[in-house]
Amino acid sequence: QVTLEESGPVLVKPTETLTLTCTISGFSPNFARMGVTWIRQPPGKALEWLAHIFSNDEKSYNTSLKTRLSISKDTSKRQVVLSLTNVDPVDTATYYCAQTLSLNAAAFDTWGQGTMVTVSA
Amino acid sequence: QSLLTQPPSMSAAPGQNITISCSGSRSNIGINHVSWYQQLPKTAPKLLIFDNNKRPSGIPDRFSGSKSGPSATLGITGLQSGDEAAYYCATWDSSLSVGPVFGGGTKLTVL
Repeated sequence: QVTLEESGPVLVKPTETLTLTCTISGFSPNFARMGVTWIRQPPGKALEWLAHIFSNDEKSYNTSLKTRLSISKDTSKRQVVLSLTNVDPVDTATYYCAQTLSLNAAAFDTWGQGTMVTVSA
Repeated sequence: QSLLTQPPSMSAAPGQNITISCSGSRSNIGINHVSWYQQLPKTAPKLLIFDNNKRPSGIPDRFSGSKSGPSATLGITGLQSGDEAAYYCATWDSSLSVGPVFGGGTKLTVL
């Protein structure tokens, strides 16, 4: 059973860079072959896909946020890191990481519990 | 404004059967598989349906999915109080977004 856990700051100031970490644990012999996605949800609003990192380290980004996003992974630590630059209050949201069953089908089968991030001065 | 349109809310009594619609276009649902998620209050979303109509292990067969052209439907039979949640459809969009997109969500109330 794979588990994912997000961690990062609770509060970030406008224009700063938000860095979030997704730590993957549990039985997962093929971590190196896992695809991991980041998704966010502003309070009371819908889900928004942000970025995905493939097993071969290839990356895919939400086109509207592409210039501000960066995703990477550290296989030895079993972590996937998401960075979002120049944050604004509209970036206030719960951020989730999820294991990807199929990116083309938007199928994410295991999710972390999410981490709430507030952007405010 | 989401590329996938869902009714914002629905309500039904326990035991009833319901369907939740998700309307897209030829560039998303029309050519790609659809997934459905259930989000109970204050919890992370859970995958209910993938590849239009497949259920992950542990999801009861009260939940079903179907797709026709640019639209998809989630069906729930024998509604239970524990089904009160928000439901989201999702798929890949090949035009504007070029990536996974989610519907706006449907808040289901079990009366």
